Amino acid sequence: GAGVSQSPSNKVTEKGKDVELRCDPISGHTALYWYRQSLGQGLEFLIYFQGNSAPDKSGLPSDRFSAERTGGSVSTLTIQRTQQEDSAVYLCASSPYRSGNTIYFGEGSWLTVV
Amino acid sequence: GQQLNQSPQSMFIQEGEDVSMNCTSSSIFNTWLWYKQDPGEGPVLLIALYKAGELTSNGRLTAQFGITRKDSFLNISASIPSDVGIYFCAGRSSTDSWGKFQFGAGTQVVVTP
Repeated sequence: GAGVSQSPSNKVTEKGKDVELRCDPISGHTALYWYRQSLGQGLEFLIYFQGNSAPDKSGLPSDRFSAERTGGSVSTLTIQRTQQEDSAVYLCASSPYRSGNTIYFGEGSWLTVV
Repeated sequence: GQQLNQSPQSMFIQEGEDVSMNCTSSSIFNTWLWYKQDPGEGPVLLIALYKAGELTSNGRLTAQFGITRKDSFLNISASIPSDVGIYFCAGRSSTDSWGKFQFGAGTQVVVTP
């Protein structure tokens, strides 16, 4: 597509439930990122995928968080047993793999855990 | 997680004034990016910088990659109401994995007529 597409745009879930957030990167971009943005805060790095390489998971806050990227394109971020502190905007971004890289963001998935 | 030190946290300015903000890091960066985020939307890339000392403009926006490689500046000249938003810097350390960008906490810009 023309831009990074994320779904759902908004999700309200009960504490303890699992949620899945989807990201469809820009066509042809080999790098895909997930960031988390809490209210009034900057962006917190979660995970980064590059082609067929092992993902950089160093930003995942706990083992309740996981992400997959199937076929080198679409990615799903899964949060198990959600907690209220998981409430945030989850931003996906993608980038072409080349020198002088820049990253392009989707509009985010706003997660509220009640 | 790690974040850059971005300042100021917020700015209230009158239309027509210039705006300056900066980001500093304790480590050497090889890429600096500046983004603007409007409410309910994802960050939009404004300017990308790849070399120490580089000065790049995008309309009324000008950004510089500091010569120490540990800082970057963004200037907005002759501000207008649509400049309202949150501006984020992002940088990539030479010691981090290729795709791992760190983000500043943002500068909230409010423009009054």
